[in-house]
Amino acid sequence: KNEVEQSPQNLTAQEGEFITINCSYSVGISALHWLQQHPGGGIVSLFMLSSGKKKHGRLIATINIQEKHSSLHITASHPRDSAVYICAVGGSQGNLIFGKGTKLSVKP
Amino acid sequence: GAGVSQTPSNKVTEKGKYVELRCDPISGHTALYWYRQSLGQGPEFLIYFQGTGAADDSGLPNDRFFAVRPEGSVSTLKIQRTERGDSAVYLCASSLNPTLAGAFRNEQFFGPGTRLTVL
Repeated sequence: KNEVEQSPQNLTAQEGEFITINCSYSVGISALHWLQQHPGGGIVSLFMLSSGKKKHGRLIATINIQEKHSSLHITASHPRDSAVYICAVGGSQGNLIFGKGTKLSVKP
Repeated sequence: GAGVSQTPSNKVTEKGKYVELRCDPISGHTALYWYRQSLGQGPEFLIYFQGTGAADDSGLPNDRFFAVRPEGSVSTLKIQRTERGDSAVYLCASSLNPTLAGAFRNEQFFGPGTRLTVL
């Protein structure tokens, strides 16, 4: 069993839909990261959180430490949101353990 | 300011050859990470430097892989006797200092990656 599990693996949505991507982890962490990876490989950090909820524009990330679960929400989705969204957890050493990613495609 | 840069962006080599991949972290970032991402998978940790020393190299798959960071800035990942299974995107990231207290102690900034293809 992977230490970081994401669901769904693939997600297709229509423009304007509300999107949720889930992440569960089985290891102790210092922080959880949500990352966005566009075709071509570049990775951008969206959120780093260790408790509660964070919001940035149309993106919202939540984490429940007791349940070892996090969600990434996208409101009013747009085709430019199409990318792979990766959940990663950080240990005390600093290295990240990554999920396999969720490939999101938003159709106009 | 400049982000993390990696060179080359693409490298094609033949099985058995030696390759070096370079990472230039953000200036002032003491921590540097190497990850490897195979097609359709999430990145996997290889090695982590704090300054000049390798703080954790537990992710290196075998002794054909080696990395250095002699002056605590630029890092080079070296792969000897390359195999087809080494083909992947090699990602580098840097962070300010993960040992410092504070909410952003381990926000990592990623480079664009080097796509390695071993024929």
